Amino acid sequence: SQTIHQWPATLVQPVGSPLSLECTVEGTSNPNLYWYRQAAGRGLQLLFYSIGIDQISSEVPQNLSASRPQDRQFILSSKKLLLSDSGFYLCAWSADRGGNQPQHFGDGTRLSIL
Amino acid sequence: AQSVTQPDIHITVSEGASLELRCNYSYGATPYLFWYVQSPGQGLQLLLKYFSGDTLVQGIKGFEAEFKRSQSSFNLRKPSVHWSDAAEYFCAVGAGRSNYQLIWGAGTKLIIKP
Repeated sequence: SQTIHQWPATLVQPVGSPLSLECTVEGTSNPNLYWYRQAAGRGLQLLFYSIGIDQISSEVPQNLSASRPQDRQFILSSKKLLLSDSGFYLCAWSADRGGNQPQHFGDGTRLSIL
Repeated sequence: AQSVTQPDIHITVSEGASLELRCNYSYGATPYLFWYVQSPGQGLQLLLKYFSGDTLVQGIKGFEAEFKRSQSSFNLRKPSVHWSDAAEYFCAVGAGRSNYQLIWGAGTKLIIKP
């Protein structure tokens, strides 16, 4: 069966520091991968998605970036964190069968910026 | 453009009472519809999905949803809620065969009264 791992679970970082959040999927090949952010008490905001290695689409211009160095690995990065980057970050995957597929989520990373 | 509306931000239900969470969508073709649940501090879990066929869909944890094309609705129901059902619930619609995104509602927070 397929599993998705996301780490770390919580992270406290000072303003201006770099960021790297990692997500890996097991049990499937060529998944579509997604990064979302939830601000406190808010809904889901899609940040990036990827349909293949080195194929990244950005939905919201910001100081974050994403990379997909391997088929089942998706990384969210920043060179300099802002206070507004605080939130709950979720990674998700869907099957490589075109659109309209359900997405399956990791457990999330709670990021606090001080 | 596709959209999903969850009209209720919060709903409070007594334990043991029935539940209905509303979801309305705007989509030009036959929609692919999903309900997810998110417990506090966790990722989203897929409850059920509708692709085609029987308009009453059974999901996990005793939930069901009914697709009503004439009303553009996909309401989630449960005959008797348990305290463990307290969570946030999200409705989503697939954005199309060639689009890998889901369009998300803003979520409904379910509060259970003892």
